[in-house]
Amino acid sequence: GNSVTQMEGPVTLSEEAFLTINCTYTATGYPSLFWYVQYPGEGLQLLLKATKADDKGSNKGFEATYRKETTSFHLEKGSVQVSDSAVYFCALGRGSQGNLIFGKGTKLSVKP
Amino acid sequence: DAEITQSPRHKITETGRQVTLACHQTWNHNNMFWYRQDLGHGLRLIHYSYGVQDTNKGEVSDGYSVSRSNTEDLPLTLESAASSQTSVYFCASSQSGAKVDTQYFGPGTRLTVL
Repeated sequence: GNSVTQMEGPVTLSEEAFLTINCTYTATGYPSLFWYVQYPGEGLQLLLKATKADDKGSNKGFEATYRKETTSFHLEKGSVQVSDSAVYFCALGRGSQGNLIFGKGTKLSVKP
Repeated sequence: DAEITQSPRHKITETGRQVTLACHQTWNHNNMFWYRQDLGHGLRLIHYSYGVQDTNKGEVSDGYSVSRSNTEDLPLTLESAASSQTSVYFCASSQSGAKVDTQYFGPGTRLTVL
């Protein structure tokens, strides 16, 4: 079946450190892949997405590349800020179905 | 601006009571979803709808029901609230199309069942 696996947190970094959050997936065909972010006390919001292999999604300094050969969509940022402290969710969607399958989330804390 | 709202934002109820959580979107999206978020489980899908009069069960639908009488609203009903249903509930919507599209989330409802 379809599934998403993310690295477990929490992840604690100092400001300006490099961030990687690993995400791998299992799915048939060519799913669309998403990263969502949830700030404290809020709902999820889309951070970036990619709809086909080798696509790179980017937003707010975050990037992720859709790697079909390794079934991965790792999230990276070169220099994190305190304001990036949040929970990050990787998700996949297949075909024309509206459903998304979410990973369990990774909590990031950035210290000044 | 289009948005998706949930009400109430916080609710405390007693075991056995019926509770309804409201979700309203002005995106004119066909697809609507209800999730619950619990520590250690991430987001789990409760029910979803692809259009008016369409409803489908998700991963954790027992004890919950939904109905879709118009495009804008998908209320979630807990028929007889249980302590295991204490959680944060999120509603989301998305446009239907050839490929799965971005889901837009509401701010959540924190439900406590005593």
